[in-house]
Amino acid sequence: DAMVIQNPRYQVTQFGKPVTLSCSQTLNHNVMYWYQQKSSQAPKLLFHYYDKDFNNEADTPDNFQSRRPNTSFCFLDIRSPGLGDAAMYLCATSASGYEQYFGPGTRLTVT
Amino acid sequence: RKEVEQDPGPFNVPEGATVAFNCTYSNSASQSFFWYRQDCRKEPKLLMSVYSSGNEDGRFTAQLNRASQYISLLIRDSKLSDSATYLCAVSRTDTGRRALTFGSGTRLQVQP
Repeated sequence: DAMVIQNPRYQVTQFGKPVTLSCSQTLNHNVMYWYQQKSSQAPKLLFHYYDKDFNNEADTPDNFQSRRPNTSFCFLDIRSPGLGDAAMYLCATSASGYEQYFGPGTRLTVT
Repeated sequence: RKEVEQDPGPFNVPEGATVAFNCTYSNSASQSFFWYRQDCRKEPKLLMSVYSSGNEDGRFTAQLNRASQYISLLIRDSKLSDSATYLCAVSRTDTGRRALTFGSGTRLQVQP
C-alpha cells in the first residue's frame, strides 16, 4: 500500500543532543511537510518542500533544519533540542498541494 | 483573532445522535477546506474535502459557507467509533494552495 512512513516512532534524546527524524513516502507526491504538534494544539507547520524548493515558516526556530535528498525522503534535524521541543512531529505529503496525507508521527521526548 | 477557530468541546453525545461542528476562518481568499479526524496520540487522517456545493460521505456531511467564512461537519447516527478529535484545515493564500492552517480541533465523545 502507498503510504507515509516515519522513523523512529518514539525518540528520546537528551537536552542539547542533536536528533534526526526521518520520513519516507511511496505516494510519489511532490510536496512534503513537517509539522510539530503539542498536546491539544493544532499541528504547526515548520517547513515544506515543493519538489526541491524549500519553504521555511517565518516563526520556525533556526534550531530546526530539514533535508530532502530525493522525492521519497525528507529529514528533520533538531540541532540542540530543548525541553520545549518535546512534541509529536508529523510528516505529510501532498500532490501539488491538494489533500495532505500524514505519517504516523514521531513522538519526541527530551530529558 | 486566530486564522482558524474551532470550539474545543468536548461534545458528549449518545450513540445514534446527530452532532455538528463548525470551524471559522479569517482569510476570505482561502480556496481549499478539509476535515481531518485525529485519534488520541495518532496522526490526523483525512476525513473529507469540503466543496462549495457541500458534500456527503455516508453519515458525514460537510458544508462551506463563504459569506460567513465557516465550514461545518455534520455526523448522523453517531457511533462509538466516531469518538475522536475533528480538525478543520484551510488552505493558506501565501503559498498557493500548498500549505494548510489547522484548527486546534473539536473533541467528540460518543457515549453508549
